[in-house]
Amino acid sequence: DAGVIQSPRHEVTEMGQEVTLRCKPISGHDYLFWYRQTMMRGLELLIYFNNNVPIDDSGMPEDRFSAKMPNASFSTLKIQPSEPRDSAVYFCASSLRVAGNTIYFGEGSWLTVV
Amino acid sequence: GNSVTQMEGPVTLSEEAFLTINCTYTATGYPSLFWYVQYPGEGLQLLLKATKADDKGSNKGFEATYRKETTSFHLEKGSVQVSDSAVYFCALSDEEGKSTFGDGTTLTVKP
Repeated sequence: DAGVIQSPRHEVTEMGQEVTLRCKPISGHDYLFWYRQTMMRGLELLIYFNNNVPIDDSGMPEDRFSAKMPNASFSTLKIQPSEPRDSAVYFCASSLRVAGNTIYFGEGSWLTVV
Repeated sequence: GNSVTQMEGPVTLSEEAFLTINCTYTATGYPSLFWYVQYPGEGLQLLLKATKADDKGSNKGFEATYRKETTSFHLEKGSVQVSDSAVYFCALSDEEGKSTFGDGTTLTVKP
């Protein structure tokens, strides 16, 4: 299997622009997670989906962030408008089921907002 | 709520030194415990896991034993290599399937 695939790997954008991060989970996995990693705050869970349905979005920092999963093989995380404090590495991850199972991470999308 | 506390870094060792990274957790019931590793520029990947008390997870020379009595899952390796330089995350998955990660410990191994 190709693993969790994220795009873009790197993005530099100007403050105020819309940013869309994309994720293809591992085929057959029914849980999908979006994480954010920064030096200051470490690894934070933003939102997760079960069978394409958002289950817990309490980690989404504010209304500028939104996530969708229109089908089992695709998800997006959108930031609009972007701000410099959104600069971070955003990881998408998936698993077969959550309890006791391994979470598989993508390589991350490195976002810089200037 | 659940929590994972791991040894603060950074940790710097010489090649062939013994490694211990401490991890303790708080959770109700019987969580599964994990160590993930993140190499530079990459995402996290599973290093090892244990799903019940007294289980020992092992991989690539690393080991960790699930100790319910001390709520710990310390990571050990007898002889580290330069290629082990990475960030190590302790994590748990509780019975409801909610995952909690520690803050990560950065390990640097010098030749």
